Amino acid sequence: AQSVAQPEDQVNVAEGNPLTVKCTYSVSGNPYLFWYVQYPNRGLQFLLKYITGDNLVKGSYGFEAEFNKSQTSFHLKKPSALVSDSALYFCAVKGSARQLTFGSGTQLTVLP
Amino acid sequence: NAGVMQNPRHLVRRRGQEARLRCSPMKGHSHVYWYRQLPEEGLKFMVYLQKENIIDESGMPKERFSAEFPKEGPSILRIQQVVRGDSAAYFCASSFRDREYEQYFGPGTRLTVT
Repeated sequence: AQSVAQPEDQVNVAEGNPLTVKCTYSVSGNPYLFWYVQYPNRGLQFLLKYITGDNLVKGSYGFEAEFNKSQTSFHLKKPSALVSDSALYFCAVKGSARQLTFGSGTQLTVLP
Repeated sequence: NAGVMQNPRHLVRRRGQEARLRCSPMKGHSHVYWYRQLPEEGLKFMVYLQKENIIDESGMPKERFSAEFPKEGPSILRIQQVVRGDSAAYFCASSFRDREYEQYFGPGTRLTVT
């Protein structure tokens, strides 16, 4: 079985400050890890993925994520948050199963 | 270079009616996945299909729900005799046959059951 935990339902950060959205996972086999963003009443937008290689993955809109195998984590980060980054963020994992398993989501609010 | 297309984007049905949701995969993609997002929740896998074949339907409710991906035309997710609890956003994703880890998502269909 594969699972994802996003321990924070809500993250608030001031504009210009660094942000971190946490994600831990559990899978059989090597993990494929993903971050998606969802704006209100919109579909999922792909941000970045880890398949193999460098543990630090850079993605869209200045986001990056660090794969940590020993801690089974894949936290999403951005050095300087923008108000427009406010949205719902989902972490997802794929192990040996064919489908993606999503976390419950973290609502990010960037305060001006 | 069209992405994954879903229609309708919004669908309103009364209890007891049928809902049909359509998904056209990206060009060249042969595999389709359906996910459901209930209010305030993450996406949950429902079913995985290739043309004319259901590969994995472990996430599908046992009754009233069915999915198909015919040789020609879009994939269809069908919900018979809808109930209020079926109100959700239904997302379709597609991938190449050998790249299940690279799924591209459509904009979703928001089903409201009144």
